[in-house]
Amino acid sequence: DVKVTQSSRYLVKRTGEKVFLECVQDMDHENMFWYRQDPGLGLRLIYFSYDVKMKEKGDIPEGYSVSREKKERFSLILESASTNQTSMYLCASSSDRVGEKLFFGSGTQLSVL
Amino acid sequence: DAKTTQPPSMDCAEGRAANLPCNHSTISGNEYVYWYRQIHSQGPQYIIHGLKNNETNEMASLIITEDRKSSTLILPHATLRDTAVYYCIVRVRSYNTDKLIFGTGTRLQVFP
Repeated sequence: DVKVTQSSRYLVKRTGEKVFLECVQDMDHENMFWYRQDPGLGLRLIYFSYDVKMKEKGDIPEGYSVSREKKERFSLILESASTNQTSMYLCASSSDRVGEKLFFGSGTQLSVL
Repeated sequence: DAKTTQPPSMDCAEGRAANLPCNHSTISGNEYVYWYRQIHSQGPQYIIHGLKNNETNEMASLIITEDRKSSTLILPHATLRDTAVYYCIVRVRSYNTDKLIFGTGTRLQVFP
């Protein structure tokens, strides 16, 4: 069964902390994506990557960075967490660049206090 | 800037067909329509996509109108486990972008 695994289901951090959200996929997909999901706003694309060491900004990249050192792993980094980054974070992978058929992880609910 | 419009919520009796509508009046000729759903506490799950012909798979059927300005996702025999938020998505293309944009979807409640 194909799988996208996010390292934490729930995370609580303090303002100003550096936060790492990890995502691993076992489908050998080239393309990986990070979204955040907020009530009333749907899913918004933060960053995506088409290949190892490659990254592209999505719609809301401010305050975030990413790392893709290995094909199967895509990390989202909050350099200095702020309360407005409290959200559900969803990682996805796809065999195609647009992400027409996305496979999602179960999400990480991050609370920044 | 989602390009689709969906009702915020719908109800359906278990065992009946659930018909979820979506308007995409600004869709371009080569843009596909995609449907995903998100069950509580899980990530979204791909259901189906289509261009202009009707499509069917093991999960659902997709009916796209001839003018392609709207579509309907059909769950032929809804079960309680189909209770979820259903997203209708159109691919967004411009000079510097090519991606799917999720809106807020339709919350489908299947009741016994």
